[in-house]
Amino acid sequence: QITLKESGPTLVKPTQTLTLTCTFSGFSLSTTQVGVGWIRQPPGRALEWLALIYWNDAKNYSPSLRSRLTITKDTSKNQVVLTMTNMDPVDTATYYCAHVPRFYYGLDVWGQGTTVTVSS
Amino acid sequence: DIQMTQSPSTLSASVGDRVTITCRASQSISSWLAWYQQKPGKAPKLLISKASSLESGVPSKFSGSGSGTEFTLTISSLQPDDFATYYCQQYNSYPWTFGQGTKVEFK
Repeated sequence: QITLKESGPTLVKPTQTLTLTCTFSGFSLSTTQVGVGWIRQPPGRALEWLALIYWNDAKNYSPSLRSRLTITKDTSKNQVVLTMTNMDPVDTATYYCAHVPRFYYGLDVWGQGTTVTVSS
Repeated sequence: DIQMTQSPSTLSASVGDRVTITCRASQSISSWLAWYQQKPGKAPKLLISKASSLESGVPSKFSGSGSGTEFTLTISSLQPDDFATYYCQQYNSYPWTFGQGTKVEFK
């Protein structure tokens, strides 16, 4: 059974850097074609894809946020970390991580999400 | 970026209705499209991948079709548990993009 869980601060101040950790079980990020993605959802709004990292350390980012995002993995700890710099109140959202089982597949298992509020 | 446009944004329906949601891509995405269901306060759930492949455990009342730029999600007989928001998402190319969502509500 695949599970993922997001963790990190619930409140950050504007201009600070957000660090979110996705801790997963039931799969390995050393398995060919497996990936983990991050998605966010501002309150009452649509889903927004942020970034994705694959088993081979290939990374993809949302172009609009590319300069602010970094995604990394620690295969031994079964974790994926997303950092977002220069946080702004518009970044207030629920942040999800999700499993990608192989190339050309959707996000088949999601974490429960973690809510981040940006406010001074 | 590939833009995904869903219609309608809100759909009012009754139990037992057959409902159809449309998703259009701004350029061809072949069949690389997923559909998700999201209930309030919950994470999205993958229903369909590759435009028409039902995920394991998803009831057969859900079906997807289409290719290229136009896709549909159909729920054959709406049940109380199906009132939710539905999103399409393309994974043909990066950045992956979602539609704006279709909320299925009680008429």
